[in-house]
Amino acid sequence: GQNIDQPTEMTATEGAIVQINCTYQTSGFNGLFWYQQHAGEAPTFLSYNVLDGLEEKGRFSSFLSRSKGYSYLLLKELQMKDSASYLCAVTLNTDKLIFGTGTRLQVFP
Amino acid sequence: DAGVTQSPTHLIKTRGQQVTLRCSPKSGHDTVSWYQQALGQGPQFIFQYYEEEERQRGNFPDRFSGHQFPNYSSELNVNALLLGDSALYLCASSGYPGQGIPEQYFGPGTRLTVT
Repeated sequence: GQNIDQPTEMTATEGAIVQINCTYQTSGFNGLFWYQQHAGEAPTFLSYNVLDGLEEKGRFSSFLSRSKGYSYLLLKELQMKDSASYLCAVTLNTDKLIFGTGTRLQVFP
Repeated sequence: DAGVTQSPTHLIKTRGQQVTLRCSPKSGHDTVSWYQQALGQGPQFIFQYYEEEERQRGNFPDRFSGHQFPNYSSELNVNALLLGDSALYLCASSGYPGQGIPEQYFGPGTRLTVT
């Protein structure tokens, strides 16, 4: 079967840095996505990793280690609007996404 | 350029009824995937359509069926509704696999409530 694990909830303070971890065990691997989802809204794309290493995009960075089945999303200079669920998803082939349960991040002033 | 659109936004049905949800993909996209997202959970893959055919299917019963039209828009049909079918149904469209990042663009979703 396919298994993707993320922490259920995290809290952080405005201006801080938070790291959301994701581990996966899947039959095959093409790449790993991170999506942000505000309550009641559709997921929006944050990052995509296919090779090992760190991808930086503004305040958000994503890291992948294929050999360890591990990824993390790093959010810097947290803002209140970053309060949302963060979804880790693995793609096996032909665009099918397998999602974790998501990590609900709450940012406090 | 319109993104992915879905209709209706919200829907309330009773057990045993049938429902049809609609999706129009982002311009230039030819692949449509459907996902079911229960409250507090990540989206679960239902199926994917490409060239008007079901290309992949997740672990959902035959009560869930779909269709893709020549203009790439798609429908999701659910028969004999159960209370457990209450969820947010997300449609995602993507371009031809292999062209750059295989990003899926999600629509706003249809919130289905079964009573």
